[in-house]
Amino acid sequence: AQSVAQPEDQVNVAEGNPLTVKCTYSVSGNPYLFWYVQYPNRGLQFLLKYITGDNLVKGSYGFEAEFNKSQTSFHLKKPSALVSDSALYFCAVRESMIKAAGNKLTFGGGTRVLVKP
Amino acid sequence: GAVVSQHPSWVICKSGTSVKIECRSLDFQATTMFWYRQFPKQSLMLMATSNEGSKATYEQGVEKDKFLINHASLTLSTLTVTSAHPEDSSFYICSPFVQLAEGYEQYFGPGTRLTVT
Repeated sequence: AQSVAQPEDQVNVAEGNPLTVKCTYSVSGNPYLFWYVQYPNRGLQFLLKYITGDNLVKGSYGFEAEFNKSQTSFHLKKPSALVSDSALYFCAVRESMIKAAGNKLTFGGGTRVLVKP
Repeated sequence: GAVVSQHPSWVICKSGTSVKIECRSLDFQATTMFWYRQFPKQSLMLMATSNEGSKATYEQGVEKDKFLINHASLTLSTLTVTSAHPEDSSFYICSPFVQLAEGYEQYFGPGTRLTVT
């Protein structure tokens, strides 16, 4: 069974400082990894994904994430955080991108990011 | 990008009544629809998976007679919460799984906040 862990419930960072949101995963095969952001009372917004290729993935709003197979991690990073980055961030994993029975996206518990001015 | 709409965005209903939530894909067709539920400050939990024209597959612990899912067309799926109770108050998010020319993608609706009084 696949699983995702986000060890931090909340991350506090000062505006302008680097932001890191941690994620580790467990799958039986090759992972397909995703990061989403959610603002209050809103749906999920896609930030970036890793399917294959370069381990460093660049996404929306200046975010990037690095796939580390040996550590089974996919941490989200932003070099300089903005107050507007304050939101709830979800890491997710699936084992396949092929439409098939049992192919589901599993979410981590979420990490609340608070960027203080 | 793909546009997914949900209606209503907010709904308040009395205990014992039923509520229908519509999810529409506005510029694409989705043969598979996932429905998620999100309690406050928690992650998304998959409720059920439906394929157009067939019965939905429910996750363990989700009552199929309480949460009725209809996926009658490739652009419309509905979730009906029957005989709602206060513990059904939650944020419901639909998520179409789409086949594109370059592969598959999973999108998310903006969510529906249900409050049962």
